[in-house]
Amino acid sequence: QSVLTQPPSVTAAPGQRVTISCSGSTSNIETYSVSWYRHVPGTAPKLLICEDNKRPSGIPDRFSGSKSGTSATLGITGLQNGDEADYYCATWDSSLSAAVFGGGTKLTVL
Amino acid sequence: VQLLESGGGLVQPGKSLRLSCEVSGSTFRNYGMNWVRQAPGKGLEWVSGISGSGVNTYYADSVRGRFTISRDNSKNTLYLQMNSLRAEDTALYYCAKDSWPSGRLYYFDYWGQGTLVTVSS
Repeated sequence: QSVLTQPPSVTAAPGQRVTISCSGSTSNIETYSVSWYRHVPGTAPKLLICEDNKRPSGIPDRFSGSKSGTSATLGITGLQNGDEADYYCATWDSSLSAAVFGGGTKLTVL
Repeated sequence: VQLLESGGGLVQPGKSLRLSCEVSGSTFRNYGMNWVRQAPGKGLEWVSGISGSGVNTYYADSVRGRFTISRDNSKNTLYLQMNSLRAEDTALYYCAKDSWPSGRLYYFDYWGQGTLVTVSS
């Protein structure tokens, strides 16, 4: 059971918009910045969003992040078949003194 | 920035293994480093982190007391000494560079390709 809760899967059509939620608590999301990663199993994860809502260089503006209280959200617009992957949120947890990942959300585009 | 893990392999339960991660293209000592793993069919799991100086270390409960993270800033290399290995430690182990020196996650801006550890008799 992950400290951060994400939906196991989301499905949307090409061109549509999807959001992925990440629910935590006061000891993690509410206090520390959230980052989001795209991961195709067996390959290196890729940073999509840092510091709650900032896009690193090279990440298109189709990707966005937001945070409110103990929850964070990743948004993806203009879905493409190539966006199919697993998406993870992550942050620090002061109660555990550990980094924590969400359980991951599998995005299917069809 | 490139991160290259090595040291994975097949090991029997109860035995030890040491992973390495060589980093190039970055001022290694300025950044915290971490190990993250993915077991077969599971999600990403943070394993351990270390500050840029090497003074501060952090561990997931699942590995505390069995794994030791360390770094050699003169060699730009991160290590993970894994003792008393269990079947549930079987995973692809990634090293990940943080964006600040603390050792406590801010965000992981670069990742390696991973090294596979299989614990089986």
